[in-house]
Amino acid sequence: GAGVSQSPSNKVTEKGKDVELRCDPISGHTALYWYRQSLGQGLEFLIYFQGNSAPDKSGLPSDRFSAERTGGSVSTLTIQRTQQEDSAVYLCASGGAGETQYFGPGTRLLVL
Amino acid sequence: AQSVAQPEDQVNVAEGNPLTVKCTYSVSGNPYLFWYVQYPNRGLQFLLKYITGDNLVKGSYGFEAEFNKSQTSFHLKKPSALVSDSALYFCAVRDKGAARQLTFGSGTQLTVLP
Repeated sequence: GAGVSQSPSNKVTEKGKDVELRCDPISGHTALYWYRQSLGQGLEFLIYFQGNSAPDKSGLPSDRFSAERTGGSVSTLTIQRTQQEDSAVYLCASGGAGETQYFGPGTRLLVL
Repeated sequence: AQSVAQPEDQVNVAEGNPLTVKCTYSVSGNPYLFWYVQYPNRGLQFLLKYITGDNLVKGSYGFEAEFNKSQTSFHLKKPSALVSDSALYFCAVRDKGAARQLTFGSGTQLTVLP
């Protein structure tokens, strides 16, 4: 079946601009996660959605970062007023009843 | 708090030889442990996990890992390495009683030499 998809695959933006990154989880998965992968920080957790519960936002690095999940499916991660240190690969994962998280291909963000 | 250590940034092994990628972890309670592999410009691909039961876990592509509670380790192994196994490997953990997000190690670059 279809896996996790993310768009765009690459995004180049200028410092100060807002960006939106999209994640389509595996159909039927109730859990959705966002992680960030960067050279200096490795893989970091950002935010977690589980069904209709309030999201766990404990990993968001600043209030410029936000995410929503509409209809329990698609999720959008928004970064406002981007900074150069936001340059990274943003990975989305989804999970079903088991513990395994399945990752998408990521969005590579470059802030100039 | 939970943490993962992958002590080797780089592991080189000759094709056909056994390979081991090391991982140790720290959690307050019982661990759920995972191995993922990442090929260039790709996302993370799930290899195997330990949740409960047998300490020896078998996964995709001939990989296996052994959960050792006393040594808090979960080393990844394969009896005979292939050149196509060359990739970046991540160990991850979460505490069974804690939040569901994973904590990842820093990754180990495996290179299998022909």
